[in-house]
Amino acid sequence: AQTVTQSQPEMSVQEAETVTLSCTYDTSESDYYLFWYKQPPSRQMILVIRQEAYKQQNATENRFSVNFQKAAKSFSLKISDSQLGDAAMYFCAYTTNYQLIWGAGTKLIIKP
Amino acid sequence: KAGVTQTPRYLIKTRGQQVTLSCSPISGHRSVSWYQQTPGQGLQFLFEYFSETQRNKGNFPGRFSGRQFSNSRSEMNVSTLELGDSALYLCASSLGPSGSPKGETQYFGPGTRLLVL
Repeated sequence: AQTVTQSQPEMSVQEAETVTLSCTYDTSESDYYLFWYKQPPSRQMILVIRQEAYKQQNATENRFSVNFQKAAKSFSLKISDSQLGDAAMYFCAYTTNYQLIWGAGTKLIIKP
Repeated sequence: KAGVTQTPRYLIKTRGQQVTLSCSPISGHRSVSWYQQTPGQGLQFLFEYFSETQRNKGNFPGRFSGRQFSNSRSEMNVSTLELGDSALYLCASSLGPSGSPKGETQYFGPGTRLLVL
C-alpha cells in the first residue's frame, strides 16, 4: 500500500531551537518527488520544500532542510532557529503516477 | 501573479441540500486537485482535473463530483449533503498533473469551510 507515516502527531520546540519532523513512506517506484507543506492556523497550505528522489543532494530552503534517505524511505524536515511563525501543521507527501499521497500531519508548537 | 482563489469561503447548508464550490487556479496552471480536510481524517484526495479531464478520483461516494472548464477553472459539487460532509475543502492548482513523473508543485487556495446542519 502507498502510505506516508508521520509518527509525531504533535511536537513542541523552544523558540530559536532546532526541531526535526519525521516522515517515512512506502513506494515501489524509483522516480518520484517528495514534499513538505505547512498549514498555519490561517489554513492556507504553503509549500515548504520539494525534493526529487533521483537527486542525492538534500534540498534546503533558508532555515528548512531535509534529510532524505532513499533506501530507508525516510524524508525528515529540520527547522533551524525556530520562530513563532513556524507554528503550524506540517504535512509530508510524495508522488505516485496519478496523485500525491499525504501523511496525517504533525502539529508543531513553538514555545516563546 | 494572483494565487488560487476559492469561493465561497464559508458556507452553511442543511442535510439533503446540494452545494457547488468554485476554484480559480493560478494563471497558466492547467491542473486542479480537490481535497477534503477534517480534523480526524486529515487530507483526503477527492479528484484531479487536467485539461478538462478527470485524471484520478479518490475514494468518495458518487455524491461528490467535479468538472473543469476550458479556462481551467474548476467546480466541485456535493449532492444530498450529509452531516459528515462538514469539512474544509481545499483546491490546489499546478502547471501539470501533480503525480509522477514530473511531480508538479501544488499551490493551494484558502479553502471553503462547509458546515452541514
